[in-house]
Amino acid sequence: DAKTTQPPSMDCAEGRAANLPCNHSTISGNEYVYWYRQIHSQGPQYIIHGLKNNETNEMASLIITEDRKSSTLILPHATLRDTAVYYCIVRTSYGKLTFGQGTILTVHP
Amino acid sequence: GAVVSQHPSWVICKSGTSVKIECRSLDFQATTMFWYRQFPKQSLMLMATSNEGSKATYEQGVEKDKFLINHASLTLSTLTVTSAHPEDSSFYICSARKDRGTEAFFGQGTRLTVV
Repeated sequence: DAKTTQPPSMDCAEGRAANLPCNHSTISGNEYVYWYRQIHSQGPQYIIHGLKNNETNEMASLIITEDRKSSTLILPHATLRDTAVYYCIVRTSYGKLTFGQGTILTVHP
Repeated sequence: GAVVSQHPSWVICKSGTSVKIECRSLDFQATTMFWYRQFPKQSLMLMATSNEGSKATYEQGVEKDKFLINHASLTLSTLTVTSAHPEDSSFYICSARKDRGTEAFFGQGTRLTVV
């Protein structure tokens, strides 16, 4: 399974954009990049996923580099409720999601 | 997004007893469900993958006789922790997806405490 590398923690001011990086240099051509987040003591929440094109939905934007070796999740206007652990995952062709340690994002007033 | 519900949200049981956790996809049919375990301050660890109507596939190191998984219908999977011990105390989370090409949605998790 392709591994991902994320910074262990990040801070962001409320109202500003939060940019969360992820490296996945061993990703294969048919593997998707998925982002989930987990708020304390809850199940993970799906955010967004992509293959090679940039994606945007009501929650976030996903920017994938042309070589697909890294990506950035963008929360355009972070709020206090966005404080969570964010997981970047490369989904295998079988659909398995293997969670790494993620990035603890803290949004402060 | 789609809704996946787990029941119960938390359970306390005595050592040596068995506990069943249910995972339901409420508004879609899930061909595949996944079971995870999460210890405090750690990430989610995949325990097993189950496809409707077939035996579950367990990850290395997960005892299939201790963690019984049943996926008898397209909307329900159950995880039974047999002969539970205090070290089985953990946060158990299920996820479900409609088919291989779609995203998986997670339940809210079940906090198991074995005393």
